[in-house]
Amino acid sequence: DAKTTQPPSMDCAEGRAANLPCNHSTISGNEYVYWYRQIHSQGPQYIIHGLKNNETNEMASLIITEDRKSSTLILPHATLRDTAVYYCIVRGAGNMLTFGGGTRLMVKP
Amino acid sequence: DAGVTQSPTHLIKTRGQQVTLRCSPKSGHDTVSWYQQALGQGPQFIFQYYEEEERQRGNFPDRFSGHQFPNYSSELNVNALLLGDSALYLCASSLDIYGYTFGSGTRLTVV
Repeated sequence: DAKTTQPPSMDCAEGRAANLPCNHSTISGNEYVYWYRQIHSQGPQYIIHGLKNNETNEMASLIITEDRKSSTLILPHATLRDTAVYYCIVRGAGNMLTFGGGTRLMVKP
Repeated sequence: DAGVTQSPTHLIKTRGQQVTLRCSPKSGHDTVSWYQQALGQGPQFIFQYYEEEERQRGNFPDRFSGHQFPNYSSELNVNALLLGDSALYLCASSLDIYGYTFGSGTRLTVV
C-alpha cells in the first residue's frame, strides 16, 4: 500500500472548518483513501473513504485531487469533541490498514 | 447494536508470561483483525482471521498467535512476553473489505 504524509499537528478554532491535508504521491489506480480518527484512549473510528471522486457524509467531506496524489479531509464546523489524531490511509487489495503517525488536531475554544 | 467488545480492558503481566486477549466482533461481521499500538504511535497490523483461518499477517514474530471461533469471536495469544510488548491491543471487525469497526482495546503492561 502507498505511503502517506501528514503534518504532525494542527490547531483549529471551534466552529471553524478544519482542513487536514494528506499527501499520497505513490498511490496507484486501485487504491482507496481512507480517513480514521482516534480520540484519546479509544479505538480508531472510521470517518470516510474515496477512490477518485469527492465524498461527503454526516461527519466530513473528502476532497481528492484530480491526479489523486493528495487529499484533504474537511470537518465543516469543528467542535471540541473533534480533538483527536486523524489518520490518512491508502489501502489497496490487501486486508490490512497501514497507519502512519497521523495529524494531532487540537480544536480550541 | 453492540460494537466490537474486547476483554479485559487492562492487564498487567510479568516478562516471560503468556497472555490471551479476547474480541467479540460487531454483530454481522465475520472478519477480525488485530493491531498493536505502542504509546505515541499509530496502530500496527498483527494479523487477520476469516473463516477461522489466518488470512494475512503483519511483521510480528511467531510469539503472536491467534484463533477465530465459529461464532467469529477471536483470541490473540502472546507467549514469552517482553517489556516491548507493552501496548494497546486493538481488535477490528468487518464484513467486507471497506468498513472496519474498532474496539476500545486492551491495555497490556509488561513489567
